[in-house]
Amino acid sequence: ILNVEQSPQSLHVQEGDSTNFTCSFPSSNFYALHWYRWETAKSPEALFVMTLNGDEKKKGRISATLNTKEGYSYLYIKGSQPEDSATYLCAFKSGGYQKVTFGTGTKLQVIP
Amino acid sequence: GAVVSQHPSRVICKSGTSVKIECRSLDFQATTMFWYRQFPKQSLMLMATSNEGSKATYEQGVEKDKFLINHASLTLSTLTVTSAHPEDSSFYICSAELAGGYSGANVLTFGAGSRLTVL
Repeated sequence: ILNVEQSPQSLHVQEGDSTNFTCSFPSSNFYALHWYRWETAKSPEALFVMTLNGDEKKKGRISATLNTKEGYSYLYIKGSQPEDSATYLCAFKSGGYQKVTFGTGTKLQVIP
Repeated sequence: GAVVSQHPSRVICKSGTSVKIECRSLDFQATTMFWYRQFPKQSLMLMATSNEGSKATYEQGVEKDKFLINHASLTLSTLTVTSAHPEDSSFYICSAELAGGYSGANVLTFGAGSRLTVL
């Protein structure tokens, strides 16, 4: 069983604040790390797929980094807005397997 | 972009009945679909992987006779919960991987999920 952990489980931030959260995953047999945003009553939406150690990806105010040697990825949101409120999921894919293993998610609420 | 339509979004049924949940890829072909179940405050738990035209691969602890998965075409996969019991009440969600083989770069496209309540 692969252990993928996310922290914190939830957080509240004020509009305009920047924030970040963590995804930890096994450091062996790494293939890819996915980040998804899941808004209430909607489908999870892919943010990033990261495959190389040291990868940094950016999409607007959201960015992510990847460290495969130590088994973690950070997701950053700069200048949080109420529309960023969602659960952010990471998913780990190991080599040789089709499936991904999801973390429990970080639920972000941005307070106007 | 790629869209997966999942329905019903909510279903209530009586114990002992069967419920079918459908996932359709609307504008792409999905050779692989994944079915997940989510318990409150827990992560998405993979139930099974279905590949078009072949039998689904079930995860350990998932009863294949209880959760029937059919992936008869490149655009449709179904999950049937047979002889449902209250403990089957949960949130079920599917995702599809684009055709053309798998790789780490293939993101998953999700349905919106189905909330099943068994009375």
